[in-house]
Amino acid sequence: EDKVVQSPLSLVVHEGDTVTLNCSYEVTNFRSLLWYKQEKKAPTFLFMLTSSGIEKKSGRLSSILDKKELSSILNITATQTGDSAIYLCAVENSGGGADGLTFGKGTHLIIQP
Amino acid sequence: NAGVTQTPKFQVLKTGQSMTLQCAQDMNHNSMYWYRQDPGMGLRLIYYSASEGTTDKGEVPNGYNVSRLNKREFSLRLESAAPSQTSVYFCASSEIGRTAYNSPLHFGNGTRLTVT
Repeated sequence: EDKVVQSPLSLVVHEGDTVTLNCSYEVTNFRSLLWYKQEKKAPTFLFMLTSSGIEKKSGRLSSILDKKELSSILNITATQTGDSAIYLCAVENSGGGADGLTFGKGTHLIIQP
Repeated sequence: NAGVTQTPKFQVLKTGQSMTLQCAQDMNHNSMYWYRQDPGMGLRLIYYSASEGTTDKGEVPNGYNVSRLNKREFSLRLESAAPSQTSVYFCASSEIGRTAYNSPLHFGNGTRLTVT
């Protein structure tokens, strides 16, 4: 059974701080790892990391995949109150079925002004 | 561009009542999914439809049924609601299977269901 563990489960920091969110996984036949941001409603896609694309960056957010350590980190620099959200990590196996995606429980990030 | 639209946004049911959650996507995606999200449990897959005309069970299908009405619409039915089904329900779609590298899941805004 595939497994995704995120840490910490919750984190409170001050505006301007840099945060690192962790995601570790156990998956049969890894295909991709995805990060989503969930504010009050729908999760929205941030990054997809694969064997051929282990590092992604968008503005103040960046993510790295460590296939040796079976983990990924999501970094947010110069945090803003708008970064407050639940950050979800999901891992996909290459089994071919549409149910090959496993989500972690999420990290609840709170940015205090 | 609406994306994935879910109705209703909120619903309160009494134990034993039935209801159908509606989902429609306008992105011409092949695959559609229903998840539930509970505190401390993350997102769990209830049912999915890899393509029009097919449906399959996910991780937590008991107590639910689904219908892929056409390529756009995928509904979730609770035949006899139970308090354990109190949750936030998300519909999602993707172009091909779960991910196609540049086609990750697109989620609707969710339905908050309370069963008393």
